[in-house]
Amino acid sequence: EPEVTQTPSHQVTQMGQEVILRCVPISNHLYFYWYRQILGQKVEFLVSFYNNETSEKSEIFDDQFSVERPDGSNFTLKIRSTKLEDSAMYFCASSLGQSSYNEQFFGPGTRLTVL
Amino acid sequence: KNEVEQSPQNLTAQEGEFITINCSYSVGISALHWLQQHPGGGIVSLFMLSSGKKKHGRLIATINIQEKHSSLHITASHPRDSAVYICAVTQGGKLIFGQGTELSVKP
Repeated sequence: EPEVTQTPSHQVTQMGQEVILRCVPISNHLYFYWYRQILGQKVEFLVSFYNNETSEKSEIFDDQFSVERPDGSNFTLKIRSTKLEDSAMYFCASSLGQSSYNEQFFGPGTRLTVL
Repeated sequence: KNEVEQSPQNLTAQEGEFITINCSYSVGISALHWLQQHPGGGIVSLFMLSSGKKKHGRLIATINIQEKHSSLHITASHPRDSAVYICAVTQGGKLIFGQGTELSVKP
């Protein structure tokens, strides 16, 4: 069964460093998402991406964040200069069509720890 | 005020019990999702519904659009059902999540 994959599973970085979190969505899916979950808190939407463009982004998704689909398979989230409060679990998701009518499939997550 | 509220936040049940988790939302939605999150963190979609009722095995999800309320029921609960159950609503192109209900089913 096709699945969303994410690498790495755990990333430890120093404050101020750049990190890139990688995702491989399900191959025929067209819509891609990043979410994050700070420990003990609810999952929060970061950004959605369709047709090589950011569709929607939350208040959290400031200039320190960017997303890219550099090739036909990967979908990446870059944090330019990490802060302590960026420590969280980051989930990638993909869907075949718009999420209003289509199930989103989640990856296993990348746990980011900023020291 | 949270746009998606779940109750209870924590639930402990004995194996075999019938379980209900509730979700209320305050925003206009196009669909509601029930998701399961295991201790390792992975999230799995259980249901997506916009009206009525859906059933999958021992799980049943219902939604009342007029009352902006949904319930997730688990019949004949089992220790392997222990997980966090999350209600999320679709608004535009994104999911808005509830805080989750942590379910523990004791043998």
